[in-house]
Amino acid sequence: GQQLNQSPQSMFIQEGEDVSMNCTSSSIFNTWLWYKQDPGEGPVLLIALYKAGELTSNGRLTAQFGITRKDSFLNISASIPSDVGIYFCAVPFTGGGNKLTFGTGTQLKVEL
Amino acid sequence: EPEVTQTPSHQVTQMGQEVILRCVPISNHLYFYWYRQILGQKVEFLVSFYNNEISEKSEIFDDQFSVERPDGSNFTLKIRSTKLEDSAMYFCASRQGDSPLHFGNGTRLTVT
Repeated sequence: GQQLNQSPQSMFIQEGEDVSMNCTSSSIFNTWLWYKQDPGEGPVLLIALYKAGELTSNGRLTAQFGITRKDSFLNISASIPSDVGIYFCAVPFTGGGNKLTFGTGTQLKVEL
Repeated sequence: EPEVTQTPSHQVTQMGQEVILRCVPISNHLYFYWYRQILGQKVEFLVSFYNNEISEKSEIFDDQFSVERPDGSNFTLKIRSTKLEDSAMYFCASRQGDSPLHFGNGTRLTVT
């Protein structure tokens, strides 16, 4: 089945540092999504990518759709305490529809 | 901004009991979903619902599970006879057309 592996599994960084994380798959996808989950809340969409090679920003967040269509990257610049949470990549299930397969998640902790 | 709302936020039940988790999707959305997240794990698709019927379901969504849209605003997930392994966060989501999913804040189900 579809499997999305995220790296790193968790990271503990200092406030102000830049953060990079990635998501890889053995399958090709035409859409990559990045969600953030705050503690006790549901996932919230951060960035959606629809084209291979696409680079999209949302404030301090930048995500890239890998050229092979098998991976995606998320960068956060100048991290702040509210960036704490779990970041999930997600792709549509094979066969279409808007059901999503979520990645394994990257937990981000920010030290003041 | 419109939200998906879920009640209750936390439900504790004894093994073998029936539970109903409630969701109010965003009002003009037509596609509804339930996802599940076991503690510390990724978010998993359970079922999608459109035009008053299930459009797709995962292997997790067995005969113990059912969904219903009893009126024009609510969307419910029923677990007929809960098991310990049903303990998880249950997220409702909705969308309109090709828009990305909007998730609720979830119901934490604890089966004792």
